[in-house]
Order: sequence, then C-alpha cells, then structure tokens
Amino acid sequence: DAKTTQPPSMDCAEGRAANLPCNHSTISGNEYVYWYRQIHSQGPQYIIHGLKNNETNEMASLIITEDRKSSTLILPHATLRDTAVYYCIVRPSISSGSARQLTFGSGTQLTVLP
Amino acid sequence: DSGVTQTPKHLITATGQRVTLRCSPRSGDLSVYWYQQSLDQGLQFLIHYYNGEERAKGNILERFSAQQFPDLHSELNLSSLELGDSALYFCASSVGDIGISPLHFGNGTRLTVT
Repeated sequence: DAKTTQPPSMDCAEGRAANLPCNHSTISGNEYVYWYRQIHSQGPQYIIHGLKNNETNEMASLIITEDRKSSTLILPHATLRDTAVYYCIVRPSISSGSARQLTFGSGTQLTVLP
Repeated sequence: DSGVTQTPKHLITATGQRVTLRCSPRSGDLSVYWYQQSLDQGLQFLIHYYNGEERAKGNILERFSAQQFPDLHSELNLSSLELGDSALYFCASSVGDIGISPLHFGNGTRLTVT
C-alpha cells in the first residue's frame, strides 16, 4: 500500500486559504487519494477524493500533481470550525485485497487562528 | 450528520466484562467497518462486513467479534475486557463491497474499562 507523508501540524489564519500538503510518492496508477478530517474525538469526516484530475466540492478542493506523487487539500476560507486533524489516505486499488478499508496515518493537526 | 448511528455514546465497565457496541449504517449502505482509536495507536481497522458477510479483518483481537444482521445493522462484541481496550470505537458504512465509494463514519462509542 502506498504510504503518505504529512506535516504533523500547521496553522492558518481565519478567513485565509488553508493548503494542506501530502506526499505519496509510491502511489500506483489506479490508487485514489482520499482526505478525511477528525474534529476532536468525533468520527472522521469524509472531505473529498480523486484519482488524477483536480476535484472540488462544497467543502474543499483537491489538487493532485501531474505525476500523482503529491497532493494538496485546499480549504478556501478557513474558519475556526475547520480546526481538526486532516488525514490524507491512499486507498489500495480494487485489485488489491485491502481495497475495502482505509488506513489512517497520523495526519496534520490544522489549527485555525482568529 | 453522516447518517451512521452508533450506540451507546459512552460505556464504562470493569475488567473481565463483556460489552456490545451497535452500529446502524446509512440508508442504502451495505458495508459496515469497525475501527478502534486509542491514544497511542491512532485509528486502527478492525473488521469489515458486506451484506452480512465478513469481508476483511484487520488487527482485531480474538476476544473481539462482530456480525452484521439481515437488517444491515452491526454489532461489535468485546469480551474479557482489559484496561487497554479503553478506546473510541468507530463504525463506518459505505455503499459497496470493494471500490471507491467513501466510508462515512459515526461519532463513535467511548469505552472506558476500569
């Protein structure tokens, strides 16, 4: 399974864009990148996922580099309620036996400052 | 609200006891996953059921067991409890068995073993 590397912590000013990086240099061609967040002891919340094209939804944008070795989650206008641990996950391909579950790393603690 | 319901929210019990955690998946979801989150281990995948059948096992202890019923709700049974079993237990659901549909998590059951 492809491993991900994220900075352990980041700060962002309220109202500014939060850009959360993730390295996944061993990702293979049919593996998807997923982002989740966990607000203090609540259940992980799904944010977005993508394969190679940039994706956007009501919560965030996901930018995946052309070589797919890294990605960035963008929260366009961060609020205090976006303070959470953000997890970048590479989901094994469907042909893999472990394509069902998601494997969480230690994530990035994003703190949005007033 | 993810649509995944977990009960109870909190559970306090003594060592050696047995408890049952319950999960109702989102409407239409056939897959249920169980995860454990303790302070020193992060989110660990335990087991996955799809439409009543076990599909994948992670780091689940032999003292733990799970099942998914015909109405698709799932129960996680923890027996011979030890202090180290104190953790948050999360249930997640998704539409399919294997693929790219995201997992949606409930808000967990906090188990305290004294």
